[in-house]
Amino acid sequence: DAKTTQPNSMESNEEEPVHLPCNHSTISGTDYIHWYRQLPSQGPEYVIHGLTSNVNNRMASLAIAEDRKSSTLILHRATLRDAAVYYCILRDFKASTPLVFGKGTRLSVIA
Amino acid sequence: ETGVTQSPTHLIKTRGQQVTLRCSSQSGHNTVSWYQQALGQGPQFIFQYYREEENGRGNFPPRFSGLQFPNYSSELNVNALELDDSALYLCASSFLDRTDTQYFGPGTRLTVL
Repeated sequence: DAKTTQPNSMESNEEEPVHLPCNHSTISGTDYIHWYRQLPSQGPEYVIHGLTSNVNNRMASLAIAEDRKSSTLILHRATLRDAAVYYCILRDFKASTPLVFGKGTRLSVIA
Repeated sequence: ETGVTQSPTHLIKTRGQQVTLRCSSQSGHNTVSWYQQALGQGPQFIFQYYREEENGRGNFPPRFSGLQFPNYSSELNVNALELDDSALYLCASSFLDRTDTQYFGPGTRLTVL
């Protein structure tokens, strides 16, 4: 399994942007980068995914380094509802592989 | 469109007993995966079912078994419960394609005494 490295925790002020980093130096050419988050007392929820190019959706943006060895999840304006554990996960698109969760980054948002 | 639902929400069992957890997939999805999440840890993959057949398994013993039904609902069965089986059990449904985005239910909290 390809591995990712994330900081254990981060803190942000409400309504400010948040940049959540993820290192994945052993990424292969067929690995998608997925982000999921888990709010307190809930199951994980899909946030965004990408392969090579930067991606935007209504929840967040994903910035992928040119060498693909790192990526950053960007929340443009953090709200209290964004307080969660964020997981960066690599998945090979050639195979139906399960999600391999690490410990993720616990994001705290301060009002 | 209904999301993924799981039942029961909470469950308390004693060591040695058997338990069945249930999951109803999101409409249109043909794949269901089960995960175990211990306190303070990320979810760990148990197994996946695709069109009623097991399609992959994590590092869990055979006493963890599952079923997927024609309507794509699913069950997770655990026999001979151990104290370490106490965890949040998560079900995720998806449509098997190259990105296979998974949609999780709220989980069942199992406590083994």
